[in-house]
Amino acid sequence: AQTVTQSQPEMSVQEAETVTLSCTYDTSESDYYLFWYKQPPSRQMILVIRQEAYKQQNATENRFSVNFQKAAKSFSLKISDSQLGDAAMYFCASLGGSQGNLIFGKGTKLSVKP
Amino acid sequence: SQTIHQWPATLVQPVGSPLSLECTVEGTSNPNLYWYRQAAGRGLQLLFYSVGIGQISSEVPQNLSASRPQDRQFILSSKKLLLSDSGFYLCAWNRGPGELFFGEGSRLTVL
Repeated sequence: AQTVTQSQPEMSVQEAETVTLSCTYDTSESDYYLFWYKQPPSRQMILVIRQEAYKQQNATENRFSVNFQKAAKSFSLKISDSQLGDAAMYFCASLGGSQGNLIFGKGTKLSVKP
Repeated sequence: SQTIHQWPATLVQPVGSPLSLECTVEGTSNPNLYWYRQAAGRGLQLLFYSVGIGQISSEVPQNLSASRPQDRQFILSSKKLLLSDSGFYLCAWNRGPGELFFGEGSRLTVL
């Protein structure tokens, strides 16, 4: 069974600073995808970034980047130049099974201090 | 444009009452559809998914059920709600491998 673990229930960062959110996963799949989703106070889940396991290059989306360590099964999210609007719950997820079912971690609540 | 709508947004129901949450998708055809539940302080739990009309797969045993009467409509139901059914319910469709597009969510409180 696939599992996703986020060991940081809460994190805090100063505006304009950089923060890294941790995620580890376990899967028996040889080809898989990993994701970070953001859930702001409005509660609608938004895809932040995705990584295809067969790609060695770490994915980046503007201020968001990942550190994908396949052997260690680690998939951390780095947010650079943090903004107040980055405050949200962040969920790490892995793609499991043939039907596109995502397995989510329990989330990390990120606070951004002005 | 592709959109997904859920309603109602908020619902307060007594224990033992029925439930119906609706989700509709626009701008796509034959989508894979999903119902997730987010309980307080926990991550998202997949409840049901559907790959087509009338095709429902359940991920966890519970007193909830799902139906897909039309290609772009996905309904979550219960005949008798339990206190433990309280939570935030999210509908989503699969826009790409693992790339889920979520609705606005429905907050259910069972009293």
